[in-house]
Amino acid sequence: DAGVTQSPTHLIKTRGQHVTLRCSPISGHKSVSWYQQVLGQGPQFIFQYYEKEERGRGNFPDRFSARQFPNYSSELNVNALLLGDSALYLCASSFTGQRGGNNEQFFGPGTRLTVL
Amino acid sequence: AQTVTQSQPEMSVQEAETVTLSCTYDTSENNYYLFWYKQPPSRQMILVIRQEAYKQQNATENRFSVNFQKAAKSFSLKISDSQLGDTAMYFCALGPFQGAQKLVFGQGTRLTINP
Repeated sequence: DAGVTQSPTHLIKTRGQHVTLRCSPISGHKSVSWYQQVLGQGPQFIFQYYEKEERGRGNFPDRFSARQFPNYSSELNVNALLLGDSALYLCASSFTGQRGGNNEQFFGPGTRLTVL
Repeated sequence: AQTVTQSQPEMSVQEAETVTLSCTYDTSENNYYLFWYKQPPSRQMILVIRQEAYKQQNATENRFSVNFQKAAKSFSLKISDSQLGDTAMYFCALGPFQGAQKLVFGQGTRLTINP
């Protein structure tokens, strides 16, 4: 079975541009979470989506948005890019029920975003 | 606010030795989950071991075991008989018992296993 996939692998943008990152969860997983990992630091939670609805949001500005599609894939959008948005963006999927909670999250390889 | 602290930025041991990575955390919740994740140089994060806070017994997975001290809010990872493939960044993470699957990660420990 395929794991979590993310596209693109690498991306270079300039300040002020917008970017869309994509994630496909493991088949059967209905929950997708997004994390930002700045070089040398641990990942920081951005969003979680379950059954196409936002279930959680981290401390990120409104320039960050996301959505989940009927097939449970997800997009992360970042507008008005800043130099500080340069990071590895990780997507994680899990098989979670309505109660939520921390079932194992399976991470994708990430998208490396560089903002110049 | 929940926080996770890993006080060892880097560690290095010889192959076959035992190594312990430290982690402390802070939360006001009574029930929660704790995790150790491994991120090899290829970047993909892999779950190593998980501990449920309401279970007193320490979790073990083959060569990996934890020392969970709930009162002290400490959660260390012991790797026995270390192997070259254990070389990676190791992250300690805290997650809620229910609700949004928000993991709070520590800064990580870079572990190098030398031949």
